Amino acid sequence: QSVLTQPPSASGTPGQRVTISCSGSSSNIGSNTVNWYQQLPGTAPKLLIYSNNQRPSGVPDRFSASKSGASASLAISGLQSEDEADYYCAARDDSLNGVVFGGGTKLTVL
Amino acid sequence: EVQLLESGGGLIQPGGSLRLSCAVSGFTFSTYAMSWVRQAPGKGLEWVSTSTGSNTYYADSVKGRFTISRDNSKNTLYLQMSSLRAEDTAIYYCAKNLDSIGSYDYWGQGTLVTVSS
Repeated sequence: QSVLTQPPSASGTPGQRVTISCSGSSSNIGSNTVNWYQQLPGTAPKLLIYSNNQRPSGVPDRFSASKSGASASLAISGLQSEDEADYYCAARDDSLNGVVFGGGTKLTVL
Repeated sequence: EVQLLESGGGLIQPGGSLRLSCAVSGFTFSTYAMSWVRQAPGKGLEWVSTSTGSNTYYADSVKGRFTISRDNSKNTLYLQMSSLRAEDTAIYYCAKNLDSIGSYDYWGQGTLVTVSS
């Protein structure tokens, strides 16, 4: 059971906009910034979003994210087949004095 | 170009010990926090440990059994694992912290640790 809660799966057709939610508590998302990772099959995770809504260099602006209270969400617009991957949210947890991840959301492009 | 290369994984019996290494290049290693994150087969990501240089942090699941360390002269991060359990079986990723704790902007390719008799 992950500390951060994500839907196990999401799907969309090419060109659509999809969102993935991440729910936490006051000790993690509620008081710290959220980061999002993309993991393509068989590869290491890649930083997609940091500090709630910042994109590292090279990440397309089709990817955006927001945070409100103890929840966060990742949005992918103009869905492409190469976006098919697992997506994870993560945040520092002050009670655990460490980092917690969501259980991951498997995105399928139909 | 930033590179992180893990090594040291393998098959180990329950109760055994193993040391993972992560050799890095392409950035000033000594000035960044570094972390280990693992992923059990078919499962999600789990933070294991972080070294900021002056402080170390551990997940409750490994506290007292794992020790993170770094050799800034060799640009290498280590994870000494002892009293290994079947549930420690995972791919172990070395990652460079973007800030002090929580976000990782570069990852290694991972090294597989299998704990089994």
